[in-house]
Amino acid sequence: DIVLTQTPLSLSVTPGQPASISCKSSQNLLHSDGRTYLYWSLQKPGQSPQLLIYEVSNRFSGVPSRFSGSGSGTDFTLRITRVEAEDVGVYFCMQSTHFPWTFGQGTKVEIK
Amino acid sequence: QVTLKESGPVLVRPTETLTLTCTVSGFSLIHPTNPYTGMSWIRQPPGKALEWLGNIFSNGDKYYTTSLQRRLTISRDTSKSQVFLTLTNVDPADTATYYCARIPLYVYDSSGYHASFDLWGQGTMVTVSS
Repeated sequence: DIVLTQTPLSLSVTPGQPASISCKSSQNLLHSDGRTYLYWSLQKPGQSPQLLIYEVSNRFSGVPSRFSGSGSGTDFTLRITRVEAEDVGVYFCMQSTHFPWTFGQGTKVEIK
Repeated sequence: QVTLKESGPVLVRPTETLTLTCTVSGFSLIHPTNPYTGMSWIRQPPGKALEWLGNIFSNGDKYYTTSLQRRLTISRDTSKSQVFLTLTNVDPADTATYYCARIPLYVYDSSGYHASFDLWGQGTMVTVSS
């Protein structure tokens, strides 16, 4: 199975400061169709997970522009340009290039 | 309002069968114009990462993780807007929060299905213990 390793596992950020989370895959996530099926989601406290980024770098509907995704192959990054209080929660990456679909272990983001 | 809600037993005994229901509202399990949608079950054991379990797609196709293929069945009742997870012969290792999620669009090719989830339920915690 593909292992997605997220770093750091926890992050304390001052509001207004940037933050980034890494997701490294044990195998290349570039599919033969040219697409990379790597996604980022956020689970806010007490809420269901919500999709932020699909296929590496595409913001999902309604996601603020301060969120961006980048990367290729085995290395991917989620960036928040200026963290806001509402951004707290657990961020996780997920891949569906390879069977079975797998998730990273999650990164907990809190506000200082 | 589009929602997904999981329901089912809180406690199940080892070797028994677990059945969970995901009731959706605000959308149809059979999309009127997009045939490439589906529903998924995912779980998260306490303190561990999320684990994808399987999908049921608009066309009725099912896709299960290998480790649970022998014990897992996903089915649906489109008239009731419900998706079901049935897991037989449960073990304490099956203790987890179980989520259902919506697949808004998938890609299918010879290597399988590729997609993610745009909506999740709140999850339901199931404990397997004697």
